[in-house]
Amino acid sequence: AQSVTQLDSQVPVFEEAPVELRCNYSSSVSVYLFWYVQYPNQGLQLLLKYLSGSTLVKGINGFEAEFNKSQTSFHLRKPSVHISDTAEYFCAVRPTSGTYKYIFGTGTRLKVLA
Amino acid sequence: DTAVSQTPKYLVTQMGNDKSIKCEQNLGHDTMYWYKQDSKKFLKIMFSYNNKELIINETVPNRFSPKSPDKAHLNLHINSLELGDSAVYFCASSQKGGEPQHFGDGTRLSIL
Repeated sequence: AQSVTQLDSQVPVFEEAPVELRCNYSSSVSVYLFWYVQYPNQGLQLLLKYLSGSTLVKGINGFEAEFNKSQTSFHLRKPSVHISDTAEYFCAVRPTSGTYKYIFGTGTRLKVLA
Repeated sequence: DTAVSQTPKYLVTQMGNDKSIKCEQNLGHDTMYWYKQDSKKFLKIMFSYNNKELIINETVPNRFSPKSPDKAHLNLHINSLELGDSAVYFCASSQKGGEPQHFGDGTRLSIL
């Protein structure tokens, strides 16, 4: 079975400051990893994904994430945030074979302050 | 052109009623999902269909019944609605391999 832990339920940060949202996962099989963003009253949109290859992946809106297999982490970073980045962020994993089941973390609310 | 569309967007109804939510995807994906998001934003998978076949059925009350008439559609019927059913229900679809899920905008269900 897989599990995803997002330890920070809320992260306040000032505009133009850097931010890191943490994601750790547990799995006995290899997984694909994803970060999604949810703006108020909207569905989830894909920010970026790690399937294989380079452990540093770049996504939309200036976000990037680094896959660390030894620490089973997939932290999301942005060097300079904007007010418009205020949203809920979800980390998710899915086994590379077998089940189609995606496991989501509990989400991190990023609040960007002026 | 919306990739995953759900109807209705809002649903307000009384306890004990029966209601349905419809979902359609035009991405050509083989797999579709229903999720429930509670007031704390926790996203819980309910069901998944692959090519009209049920492949994931989580611990969900049997008042909830999914139906997939074809691989582009996955509907959710809920009988005897209860207060605890109030939530946002999301439909999603995906393809094989590393393809991520694509989500609809959600159906906000409120039980009075």
